[in-house]
Amino acid sequence: EPEVTQTPSHQVTQMGQEVILRCVPISNHLYFYWYRQILGQKVEFLVSFYNNEISEKSEIFDDQFSVERPDGSNFTLKIRSTKLEDSAMYFCASSEALGGDNSPLHFGNGTRLTVT
Amino acid sequence: DAKTTQPPSMDCAEGRAANLPCNHSTISGNEYVYWYRQIHSQGPQYIIHGLKNNETNEMASLIITEDRKSSTLILPHATLRDTAVYYCIVRMDSSYKLIFGSGTRLLVRP
Repeated sequence: EPEVTQTPSHQVTQMGQEVILRCVPISNHLYFYWYRQILGQKVEFLVSFYNNEISEKSEIFDDQFSVERPDGSNFTLKIRSTKLEDSAMYFCASSEALGGDNSPLHFGNGTRLTVT
Repeated sequence: DAKTTQPPSMDCAEGRAANLPCNHSTISGNEYVYWYRQIHSQGPQYIIHGLKNNETNEMASLIITEDRKSSTLILPHATLRDTAVYYCIVRMDSSYKLIFGSGTRLLVRP
């Protein structure tokens, strides 16, 4: 069964450094998402992306964050200058459609980001 | 999107049915009910979703009450690998996002 893949599985970076998290969504999906989960807390929505632009974003997704689909297969999340509080699991997801039977989001297994 | 209420934790015996309830009394006509689960720190796994009819797939059944104010996810023969946090989420059709709550932590006992 096709799946969303994320790399790396674990990323350690120093505070203030830029980090790029990578995702390969399911190939026929059109909608892409990033979520994060701080240890012991809820899964939080960050941003959704469709047709090469951001369709919705949360308050968490400030100017330090950006997303890009640099080619036909990858979807990336960049954090420009990492802070300690950015340490979390970051999950990428994709969906074929917004509504109906093909609307469920399918998630990758995440990248654990540790900022020291 | 409408808010959901789930018990914080439940347990069931291996091999028995696990029935996980969810209350969504403020659901509106164009909102779907989705169920996901998260095993340990893995990514959320889609289980099932529905609008008003009951649904069944290879993983589970979803029973939605006629007034749509509540639903039950049924795992017919729970195994130890079904131990996870289960999330009931209401999502407007054509909304871009799912909003996760705290979910129900299900423990399947040997």
